Amino acid sequence: DAGVIQSPRHEVTEMGQEVTLRCKPISGHNSLFWYRQTMMRGLELLIYFNNNVPIDDSGMPEDRFSAKMPNASFSTLKIQPSEPRDSAVYFCASSSGQARYEQYFGPGTRLTVT
Amino acid sequence: GNSVTQMEGPVTLSEEAFLTINCTYTATGYPSLFWYVQYPGEGLQLLLKATKADDKGSNKGFEATYRKETTSFHLEKGSVQVSDSAVYFCALLRGAGGGADGLTFGKGTHLIIQP
Repeated sequence: DAGVIQSPRHEVTEMGQEVTLRCKPISGHNSLFWYRQTMMRGLELLIYFNNNVPIDDSGMPEDRFSAKMPNASFSTLKIQPSEPRDSAVYFCASSSGQARYEQYFGPGTRLTVT
Repeated sequence: GNSVTQMEGPVTLSEEAFLTINCTYTATGYPSLFWYVQYPGEGLQLLLKATKADDKGSNKGFEATYRKETTSFHLEKGSVQVSDSAVYFCALLRGAGGGADGLTFGKGTHLIIQP
C-alpha cells in the first residue's frame, strides 16, 4: 500500500494568499484526520471526518481554515487568507473502522507563510 | 479535557543505555494509550499501544505498561541504539463512543543516542 499521500510536501507563500493542502488516505480507511504541528503548541487535531462527514472541527483555529472531503479518497485543507502564524507542518492521517485505534500518518506538508 | 504530559527533551544517552521516557495523562473514562515515533523529515509512526489498564504494549524492544492507578504510560527500552534517535510522542484516544476520534498528543521528547 502506498500509505497516506500528502501534497505538496513543501509550500512557501506570501501572507494573504490562499493555500490548499491535499491528502489521499489509505484505500479502505473510512476516517481521516488533519493535524498541525508547531514548536509552540506541538501536535494539534484540527478536524476529522468519518465516512466523508466532518465529525469534530473544534480544533480549526479560525474561519480562515476550512476542510472538505468530497469522496473517500481525497481531502483538502484550505487556508484563506494565509498569515505568518499559520506556518507549521500539517499532517493528514487515516484509520480503518476495523482498527480504529491505529492512525497512519502521511509525511506532512511544511507550510511557510512570509 | 484530555491532556498528555511527557518529559521535556532533549534526552541524550549513550548507545546500549537504558531508556525511560515518562508520560502521564488526564482523561475521563478509559482511554487507549499510544507511543508514536517521528524520524527526521517523516510523519509519525505508531510504535506501540495499550487499550486497557495493565496492558503492556511492545515493539522493536520498546515497552510501555498502561497504569491506571498512576495514570501513566512510561516508555522503556533496555538497550538503545543510534537508530533509535527520533522524537517520541505519547498520545491518548478517549474511550470508545462510536466513530473515530482524534488523538491528544504530548509535546514530544527528542531522543539523541550517541555512539
